[in-house]
Amino acid sequence: GQQVMQIPQYQHVQEGEDFTTYCNSSTTLSNIQWYKQRPGGHPVFLIQLVKSGEVKKQKRLTFQFGEAKKNSSLHITATQTTDVGTYFCAGPKDNYGQNFVFGPGTRLSVLP
Amino acid sequence: NAGVTQTPKFQVLKTGQSMTLQCAQDMNHNSMYWYRQDPGMGLRLIYYSASEGTTDKGEVPNGYNVSRLNKREFSLRLESAAPSQTSVYFCASRWTRSGPTGELFFGEGSRLTVL
Repeated sequence: GQQVMQIPQYQHVQEGEDFTTYCNSSTTLSNIQWYKQRPGGHPVFLIQLVKSGEVKKQKRLTFQFGEAKKNSSLHITATQTTDVGTYFCAGPKDNYGQNFVFGPGTRLSVLP
Repeated sequence: NAGVTQTPKFQVLKTGQSMTLQCAQDMNHNSMYWYRQDPGMGLRLIYYSASEGTTDKGEVPNGYNVSRLNKREFSLRLESAAPSQTSVYFCASRWTRSGPTGELFFGEGSRLTVL
């Protein structure tokens, strides 16, 4: 079945350093979504990418969708302590999009 | 707006006991979901409901039942709880008229411990 993988599983950075997490799907995705979950919190939607090669920015966050629509990345420039949390990518299991498959997430720690 | 509301937030059960997790959304979303989250395993879909009156199995449905009571409410029932069902459960909803797109809105989670 479809699998969504993320690397790394954990990342510890010093405040001000950059951070990147990568998401890879075993199948082509019609779209990919990114979520952030703060410690003890619930996942919160960050962004959705739909087009091949798409790049979107949200302040210090840059999201990319691969040309083959099987991989994606999230890059944070100059991390801050507010960036702490787990970042998940998710893609629809089928074209109907009812069933979303989540990656295992990348947990980011930011040392002040 | 309350968004997605789950109850209870915490629950401790003994093996073999039953319980129901309640979820309600006030965003007029047609699709609702139940996920479980375990350390290092991300979010795994238990059941989902694409519309009122329909339910479908997700990735890990064994040991659970669901009811889509109406458009707003989607409950998850554990008939005979097992320690392997110790987890954090999240309810989510989304508007899916446009197909695969549409963000998921999550509740705050229900932390269940089965002894």
